[in-house]
Amino acid sequence: GDSVTQMEGPVTLSEEAFLTINCTYTATGYPSLFWYVQYPGEGLQLLLKATKADDKGSNKGFEATYRKETTSFHLEKGSVQVSDSAVYFCALSLSGGSNYKLTFGKGTLLTVNP
Amino acid sequence: DTGVSQDPRHKITKRGQNVTFRCDPISEHNRLYWYRQTLGQGPEFLTYFQNEAQLEKSRLLSDRFSAERPKGSFSTLEIQRTEQGDSAMYLCASSLSGSIDEQYFGPGTRLTVT
Repeated sequence: GDSVTQMEGPVTLSEEAFLTINCTYTATGYPSLFWYVQYPGEGLQLLLKATKADDKGSNKGFEATYRKETTSFHLEKGSVQVSDSAVYFCALSLSGGSNYKLTFGKGTLLTVNP
Repeated sequence: DTGVSQDPRHKITKRGQNVTFRCDPISEHNRLYWYRQTLGQGPEFLTYFQNEAQLEKSRLLSDRFSAERPKGSFSTLEIQRTEQGDSAMYLCASSLSGSIDEQYFGPGTRLTVT
């Protein structure tokens, strides 16, 4: 079945450090890929997405590139801030008819210290 | 646009009791999803509606679970004869059919079965 594997946390960084959270996927078709973020006490929010190979999604300084050859969608940010502390989820979506249900990884907790 | 809302935010119930959760999607969204998230895991798909039609149910959704979306607007998720294993965060998401399904999540209902 379809699945997402992401780097286990927790990840602890100092402010302004470089961030990479690895994500790889297995899918029977050609998925769309997403990163969602969950800030403490809040609901899941879409951070960025990519819908085809070599697409780069970007938002709030975060980037991820859809790599079909390595089935990966790693999340990166050049300089993290304390406000980036959250849980990050990698997810994929395959259209089964009209159902674009999301398949999520387990999440990676990021803590950024000042 | 007030976003996706869920009610209640927290529910504590005794084993064997029935519980019902409500989700109000973004008003123009015709697709509605329910997910379940347990501690340390990513959300898992439970069921999907397009307008009032329930089009897919996960194997995770046992016979004790039922979901409705009677007028294609709000949705309810009922769990009968709750078990301790039902303790989880229940998430609702909505989206508008179109190109790529971008799902917007509510804050969730945290269920604790004692």
